[in-house]
Amino acid sequence: DAGVIQSPRHEVTEMGQEVTLRCKPISGHDYLFWYRQTMMRGLELLIYFNNNVPIDDSGMPEDRFSAKMPNASFSTLKIQPSEPRDSAVYFCASRVEGEPQHFGDGTRLSIL
Amino acid sequence: GQQVMQIPQYQHVQEGEDFTTYCNSSTTLSNIQWYKQRPGGHPVFLIQLVKSGEVKKQKRLTFQFGEAKKNSSLHITATQTTDVGTYFCAGPLWSGAGSYQLTFGKGTKLSVIP
Repeated sequence: DAGVIQSPRHEVTEMGQEVTLRCKPISGHDYLFWYRQTMMRGLELLIYFNNNVPIDDSGMPEDRFSAKMPNASFSTLKIQPSEPRDSAVYFCASRVEGEPQHFGDGTRLSIL
Repeated sequence: GQQVMQIPQYQHVQEGEDFTTYCNSSTTLSNIQWYKQRPGGHPVFLIQLVKSGEVKKQKRLTFQFGEAKKNSSLHITATQTTDVGTYFCAGPLWSGAGSYQLTFGKGTKLSVIP
């Protein structure tokens, strides 16, 4: 089992640029979650999908953030335009109903 | 809003000493999960507790779920350097947007001095 795969592992870009983070969940998992982790706020849920449908996006900080899941094996989290305060580690996780979440290795994002 | 609180935030122990982290919820939980995140790594699921008063053990780790299902603890006996990391508890809390969300505590960062 390859686990949850995220790309890129690291991203450094200038403020104002568009950033796209990618996630491939574990095959067969029907829930997908995007988290953001910072020292100040800890691990925050941004949005989650069930069967490719966004269920709860109440954690998305503002309109600059958007997430899509066009099919069961791929999701993106996009920030446009990016700001320095968006610097964080972004994790994707997936699971099946009744089972715990499996996290990817994360994307360490730095906005200069 | 509903929260999951964890204390202490940091803990430094000498190798061989015991370690405990505590988790409290503002509301009753249907279950509580514990995760460990190694430095530079990602959270990894350790265990889930479901029943009131439940106690589970994994080698030197003992997990407890309170009788009221609002608090939990993780105790490590005789810590080793391999125990270094951040330990998170997480419970499903109503998000207010129409669903339960697995809400994580801020974690307890454990350092073990050899």
